[in-house]
This record gives sequence, structure tokens and C-alpha cells, in this order.
Amino acid sequence: GESVGLHLPTLSVQEGDNSIINCAYSNSASDYFIWYKQESGKGPQFIIDIRSNMDKRQGQRVTVLLNKTVKHLSLQIAATQPGDSAVYFCAEIFGNQFYFGTGTSLTVIP
Amino acid sequence: GAVVSQHPSRVICKSGTSVKIECRSLDFQATTMFWYRQFPKKSLMLMATSNEGSKATYEQGVEKDKFLINHASLTLSTLTVTSAHPEDSSFYICSARDPWGTYNEQFFGPGTRLTVL
Repeated sequence: GESVGLHLPTLSVQEGDNSIINCAYSNSASDYFIWYKQESGKGPQFIIDIRSNMDKRQGQRVTVLLNKTVKHLSLQIAATQPGDSAVYFCAEIFGNQFYFGTGTSLTVIP
Repeated sequence: GAVVSQHPSRVICKSGTSVKIECRSLDFQATTMFWYRQFPKKSLMLMATSNEGSKATYEQGVEKDKFLINHASLTLSTLTVTSAHPEDSSFYICSARDPWGTYNEQFFGPGTRLTVL
């Protein structure tokens, strides 16, 4: 049968370059956001989170930016490596409601 | 973070058979678990919400008689694909919500690859 689900946007970057992955969220009252990484054939893994009272949070090689004015979330990966190739998607949480973004497929070109 | 396991990780079965997939929260009790389906290069699709001790809530378009969900304990939810057919071949992922987590985080299992011949 025909597969269903949204096609994933794709992003290709050269190894060593920085990657920026974007996500638009829907609920201005969402108070918590998470970025997940999903490698092929595996379940999603937590990368980094940010609360709505922050506009930036940094981890190891990753930075999440939150723009509440335009309801936009971005994930920046510094010095992208081949191991970063995966699907990345955001999630917004409001109370018990948990919504996932479509996801972006990142391919790192050696 | 919390750990969620799935079993089996991969299963191949003949058309017409039923397949059971287990989802376990290993170090926390999950009152709510979720079942997702994912096709290659496609987004996660929520199939159903599994609530401990009560009936699952299915998303529109998901056949509840086809995909049986049981959440008999606070650490285990099962998804049974009944009378599986090739179109049921997919990657099935569960997640569990930690009720004591500050922000109702979901923790994902590693997924189960189902192939129906």
C-alpha cells in the first residue's frame, strides 16, 4: 500500500559547516520545547530542550533558539559531522499536550 | 533520562498472522504510553494513546480492531497487529510519558521494524 505521512524536508551540508534546522510551532502558550534526533532505524533521542522563559540554550555543539514572537524554534549544529546525519524534529509541550513537528532530514556530505 | 525498551526490535511474519510488540518503561512508571508508526523518510504518525487501566484512544483512521493495544501495568503496553498484511509493514515506535517529569516529557523506545511477507 502507499505509505502515508508527511514528506520530510531535506538539508544537505558540507562536513565542518554549521547546520541550522528550523521549526515553526503552533501554540503561543506552549511552555517547553524539545529537539529530537532520529537516526535511521532507531527511535528518536533527546538532544536539547528549552523552556519558554528562555530564548537561547547551548549544549555541546548544539544551540537552540526560541523566538516566541513568531513562534519559531531553531537548532544550530556547529561543525557538522557525518554522525549528525539524521532526521531532526521539534516538539512543543503545553500541559499534557505534546505536538511534534514534521522533521527535517539532515545529510552531511563528507 | 528515563529508558524505554521495545521488543522485538525486528520481526518478519507471514501474511495473516498476528504480531505483538511490547513497550516497557524501565525505570519509571508510565501512566500514558503512545504508539507511533513511521514510513521511510516520513514523519512520525501517532496511532493511539495507551492509558494504564483503561481503553486506548485511537487517532482518526486507525482501526482499533486491527491494532490492539493493552496497557495492563504501569510499565508495559503492548501493540498487537492482528492478521497482518504487507501494507502493515512499517517501523513502530512507542513512547512513555513520565508523570513525575517537570514538563511531561516523552521518552521514546528504539522502535520495532515489522516486515509482513
